[in-house]
Amino acid sequence: AQSVTQPDIHITVSEGASLELRCNYSYGATPYLFWYVQSPGQGLQLLLKYFSGDTLVQGIKGFEAEFKRSQSSFNLRKPSVHWSDAAEYFCAVDLNTDKLIFGTGTRLQVFP
Amino acid sequence: DAGITQSPRYKITETGRQVTLMCHQTWSHSYMFWYRQDLGHGLRLIYYSAAADITDKGEVPDGYVVSRSKTENFPLTLESATRSQTSVYFCASSGAGDYGYTFGSGTRLTVV
Repeated sequence: AQSVTQPDIHITVSEGASLELRCNYSYGATPYLFWYVQSPGQGLQLLLKYFSGDTLVQGIKGFEAEFKRSQSSFNLRKPSVHWSDAAEYFCAVDLNTDKLIFGTGTRLQVFP
Repeated sequence: DAGITQSPRYKITETGRQVTLMCHQTWSHSYMFWYRQDLGHGLRLIYYSAAADITDKGEVPDGYVVSRSKTENFPLTLESATRSQTSVYFCASSGAGDYGYTFGSGTRLTVV
């Protein structure tokens, strides 16, 4: 079945540690790819997006993501996590239909 | 103020009552969307609209009705609320060809 998978429901890291959040998709063609962040009680904010071209995408707040066609993945990374990064992160795809399909999210907890 | 606003922010209603959630955007974006967010499901698309007077069903439309008589407004109505419709509802908008949405802050609806 076509889907967006975020295999990690909950991740805990120490402040200053590196972070990688995983996202895989299962669609025939390469979709447009997005990462969003949701702070508690807030709406979703776009971190970055990939349409084509350079497979390493830079976003806001020091985040980056790498598209790997061979693995159908679009993992989100940050070299050094800050306590303010604690939030829920959603991967999403657009199959050129102007509609986003979301993964189930990964909750990030940051310890001091 | 420019942006996308949802009202009310919180709502408690009784089973069987009709309730309408409001969404207003000031960018004249073509596309507007309603999602519901539930634990373990991420965000699921309820309805979307590509332009005024054009609406279409998403993944979970049953029990909901939408209208879009003006570009800036996209209200969502629960015709006869059920407990399974207890959720957080997000409205989003996007310009044609923009890809990636701007989200409202959400409405937390509780059906008792």
